[in-house]
Amino acid sequence: EAAVTQSPRNKVTVTGGNVTLSCRQTNSHNYMYWYRQDTGHGLRLIHYSYGAGNLQIGDVPDGYKATRTTQEDFFLLLELASPSQTSLYFCASSDVWGGGEQYFGPGTRLTVL
Amino acid sequence: QQKVQQSPESLIVPEGAMTSLNCTFSDSASQYFAWYRQHSGKAPKALMSIFSNGEKEEGRFTIHLNKASLHFSLHIRDSQPSDSALYLCAVNSAGNKLTFGIGTRVLVRP
Repeated sequence: EAAVTQSPRNKVTVTGGNVTLSCRQTNSHNYMYWYRQDTGHGLRLIHYSYGAGNLQIGDVPDGYKATRTTQEDFFLLLELASPSQTSLYFCASSDVWGGGEQYFGPGTRLTVL
Repeated sequence: QQKVQQSPESLIVPEGAMTSLNCTFSDSASQYFAWYRQHSGKAPKALMSIFSNGEKEEGRFTIHLNKASLHFSLHIRDSQPSDSALYLCAVNSAGNKLTFGIGTRVLVRP
């Protein structure tokens, strides 16, 4: 089974702070995704990537940057965190774009005070 | 932009009963339809998927897809307390992104 890990699992920061969320997958999947999950909104796609060095904009990208440094590693950056970015963040990977199973990491709970 | 809606928002079913969940979508060109299950405090995990009209059964789980009515459903036979979870439907759309519904929270009472 696909293995996706995320760190940290929990993070508290203050408004205006810098935060980096990390994701690693060990199954040689080409596609990686960052989602946020909020009550009343479900899972929403922030950024995604086809492979190392590639970045695509998702549905809710404002306030987020992302970088895919290797096939395994995908990072989500919040450079000026705001309370509206308090959320549960999931990373996922897949070997088929769009029409195939996505494997999710355990999630990072971020609180911006 | 793809719109995906789920109903009901929540459901309580007795152990052993059938659980039925619904999902509607707006993009008639969609080609991939899936259900994910998310237990409390855990990550979403794919349950079943379907590509063409009709029905697909895997164990206690059955998916029905009707593209003409922009609707698909998940049915869980002989529901167990371990089936208590948030169920998310997902549909692919333009750009081949997956769009998820908000979810249906299911509680199976022993």
